[in-house]
Amino acid sequence: DVVMTQSPLSLSVTLGEPASISCRSSQDLVHSDGNIYLNWFQQRPGQSPRRLIYKISNRDSGAPDKFSGSGSGTDFTLKISRVEAEDVGVYYCMQGTHWPRTFGQGTRVEI
Amino acid sequence: EVHLVESGGGLVKPGGSLRLSCAASGFSFSGAWMTWVRQAPGKGLEWVGRIKTKIDGETTDYAAPVEGRFTISRDDSENTLYLQMNSLKTEDTGIYYCTKWDHWGQGTLVTVSS
Repeated sequence: DVVMTQSPLSLSVTLGEPASISCRSSQDLVHSDGNIYLNWFQQRPGQSPRRLIYKISNRDSGAPDKFSGSGSGTDFTLKISRVEAEDVGVYYCMQGTHWPRTFGQGTRVEI
Repeated sequence: EVHLVESGGGLVKPGGSLRLSCAASGFSFSGAWMTWVRQAPGKGLEWVGRIKTKIDGETTDYAAPVEGRFTISRDDSENTLYLQMNSLKTEDTGIYYCTKWDHWGQGTLVTVSS
């Protein structure tokens, strides 16, 4: 199985400051169709997960533009340009290229 | 508006069975690959399994920990996704979500305990 490794696992940020979460995969995530299926999910306390980013850098509708994704091959990053109180929660990367689908351990973001 | 509503969770003894349902609305259910994801208490997200569309053969794939015990099915006439869980273990305890990745249900809690 593809192992997804996130860092840091916990992140304490200042309101208005940027934040960055790293995700590394144990295998290349290039699909046979040429796409890289790397997603980012946000899970606020007590809520269901919500996808923010798909295929490395595409923002879902409703996801604020303060969230951006980047990366290639096996190294990926989620950035929050200016952290707000509503961004508190756990963020997960997930690969959708190989079976079984696998998630990172999660990064807890707190203010 | 897309809605996914899970139901069927509850308390069950080890070795028991449970069937979860996920009622879908607001999108073409028959055209969507559907997935179950679970989350043990205080833990991260774990992919459980996926079912393709009928046109894609309704093929299913499962995570190793549930292979042979869990079965995913769908009823496109009722816009409903199912997860049949047999031979339940304590480690199957958690919230079970149905999702098509861009939308998630609210989850249903399964507790396996004697």
